[in-house]
Amino acid sequence: QKEVEQDPGPLSVPEGAIVSLNCTYSNSAFQYFMWYRQYSRKGPELLMYTYSSGNKEDGRFTAQVDKSSKYISLFIRDSQPSDSATYLCAMINTGTASKLTFGTGTRLQVTL
Amino acid sequence: DSGVTQTPKHLITATGQRVTLRCSPRSGDLSVYWYQQSLDQGLQFLIHYYNGEERAKGNILERFSAQQFPDLHSELNLSSLELGDSALYFCASSATGPEQYFGPGTRLTVT
Repeated sequence: QKEVEQDPGPLSVPEGAIVSLNCTYSNSAFQYFMWYRQYSRKGPELLMYTYSSGNKEDGRFTAQVDKSSKYISLFIRDSQPSDSATYLCAMINTGTASKLTFGTGTRLQVTL
Repeated sequence: DSGVTQTPKHLITATGQRVTLRCSPRSGDLSVYWYQQSLDQGLQFLIHYYNGEERAKGNILERFSAQQFPDLHSELNLSSLELGDSALYFCASSATGPEQYFGPGTRLTVT
């Protein structure tokens, strides 16, 4: 079983929809929870991160962490075709190392 | 543009050969990380250097090695290449916080 699980999709939504992307994890030592966006054949781009539990909002993006359920989410409001990409969750266990442990990524397609 | 640069963009080589991938971190970042992205394994951590010293290793093969130089650029050396080493190789850099900024990657094809 992988430490971080993420539905690979693809997820197809119409423009303007609210998108919900999720990851579950098994290692309770994870402290930082990151979301990256990756366009095809490009490097991952950091969208936002959260420390421990709680919510964080940045423009159209909201990240939520529920450590009790080992479940994290990224919500995208008013989705745009330019949001079409693969979204990767990643986590850091600062007790051992600063490496990122990634989910497999969810491919999102926002249609006109 | 993350500020992290990687060269070359593409590399095609034969099995058994050796290649070197290069990474320049963002200005002022002391940490460099290397990751491998393949279709079946996703993004996997390989190794972390901080100010010239190795800090952590992931599932990096013995055929792979890395170093970070005094000017903070890093090189990843891959030797005795196999078909299964074909992948995207990314480097990322960070300052003191948890944020890691990724370069554009090097696409390695082993034929």
